[in-house]
Amino acid sequence: LAKTTQPISMDSYEGQEVNITCSHNNIATNDYITWYQQFPSQGPRFIIQGYKTKVTNEVASLFIPADRKSSTLSLPRVSLSDTAVYYCLVGRGAAGNKLTFGGGTRVLVKP
Amino acid sequence: NAGVTQTPKFRILKIGQSMTLQCAQDMNHNYMYWYRQDPGMGLKLIYYSVGAGITDKGEVPNGYNVSRSTTEDFPLRLELAAPSQTSVYFCASSLRTGDGYGYTFGSGTRLTVV
Repeated sequence: LAKTTQPISMDSYEGQEVNITCSHNNIATNDYITWYQQFPSQGPRFIIQGYKTKVTNEVASLFIPADRKSSTLSLPRVSLSDTAVYYCLVGRGAAGNKLTFGGGTRVLVKP
Repeated sequence: NAGVTQTPKFRILKIGQSMTLQCAQDMNHNYMYWYRQDPGMGLKLIYYSVGAGITDKGEVPNGYNVSRSTTEDFPLRLELAAPSQTSVYFCASSLRTGDGYGYTFGSGTRLTVV
């Protein structure tokens, strides 16, 4: 399973864009990159998933360079309610996929 | 849409007691998972299942057992509870992996072993 490295914490202010970069140097050819958000006392929530290039949905964008050894989750114009822990996961899109959650990045959005 | 339902939400167990954490999903998902999350830490996979009748161990299976007799249900059994099993337990399910399919998590069961 590919190991991921992401910052432990980040601070931001309301209205700013937050970019969280995740390193996954030993990503395998058929691995997907998935990001989850977790609020206190809740289960993680799926945000976005990608394989290569750029993926965008109503919540975030995911940028993946050509070598796929890193990825960046971009949260546009954050609000206080975006304060959460964000997890980067790398794993195969095949049967029996066992995603490993690391420590995540604690994002604190300040007023 | 109920999604993934976990019961109970809270439980206090005495050392040596046993209990079953219930997990049910109504999305007809093939894959189901059990994770535990210790305070301030990430989630660790305990067991997972790729379909009814098929289960396999994750990172931290010791002290736990699972069964998957139906697509909907994936109970987690704790035998001889120990203080080290104090944690928040999350059940998750997915239709498949990749191509934009993520996990749907339940709201968790907070377990304290005293």
